[in-house]
Amino acid sequence: GENVEQHPSTLSVQEGDSAVIKCTYSDSASNYFPWYKQELGKGPQLIIDIRSNVGEKKDQRIAVTLNKTAKHFSLHITETQPEDSAVYFCAATDFNKFYFGSGTKLNVKP
Amino acid sequence: DADVTQTPRNRITKTGKRIMLECSQTKGHDRMYWYRQDPGLGLRLIYYSFDVKDINKGEISDGYSVSRQAQAKFSLSLESAIPNQTALYFCATSGRASAPLEQFFGPGTRLTVL
Repeated sequence: GENVEQHPSTLSVQEGDSAVIKCTYSDSASNYFPWYKQELGKGPQLIIDIRSNVGEKKDQRIAVTLNKTAKHFSLHITETQPEDSAVYFCAATDFNKFYFGSGTKLNVKP
Repeated sequence: DADVTQTPRNRITKTGKRIMLECSQTKGHDRMYWYRQDPGLGLRLIYYSFDVKDINKGEISDGYSVSRQAQAKFSLSLESAIPNQTALYFCATSGRASAPLEQFFGPGTRLTVL
C-alpha cells in the first residue's frame, strides 16, 4: 500500500515568517494530495489540495507544490499568523483509500 | 448545525466490552469513512463505504466492523474492545459533485479502553 512520510514533526516560527512542511509518497497511482489543518479538539479541515496533473496551487497565503517525478509535495504558508498554529496533515489517495502523514505541529510565536 | 456528527464524543469502557460509535451526516454525500488517530501516527483508515451496499476494509480493519444503515449513517463497532484500541476516532464524508474527494470530518470520539 501507499506510504506517506511527513517532515518535520514540529515547527516553530516567528509571526510573519514562512513555514514549509514536506511530504513524500511511494505509490505512483496516487493522484490527489490534500492538506488538512487540525485545531485542538476538532476534526481535520481541508485547507488546500492538488491533483497530479498540476504542479502548484495557491490560495492567498497558502500554496502547495507537487513533484510527481520525485514523489514529493509541500505546503507553504507565508506571513504566518498566530491563528495558523495547529497540526497539519498531508495525505495521498488514488481516489479510493486515503493515506495520511504523521502530522506537523506548527507553532507561530507572536 | 454540524454537518457530520459523531456520538458519543467521549467513552470509557472496559476490556472485552462491545462498543458502537455512530456517525451521521446531513451533507447528502455518498462516501463515508472511519479513521483512528494516534499520537505521532496521523490518521489511519479503518473502513470506508461508497454507498449503502458497498463496504471496504481500510489499512487497519482487524478488530472492527461497520454498518451502513442508510446513506446518512455509518456505524463503527468494536466487538470486544482491547486497550490498544484506545484512540481518537473520526468519521468523514465526501462526494460533493464539484469536489468529490474533499473530505469533511466529524468532531471525533475519544475512546478509552481500560
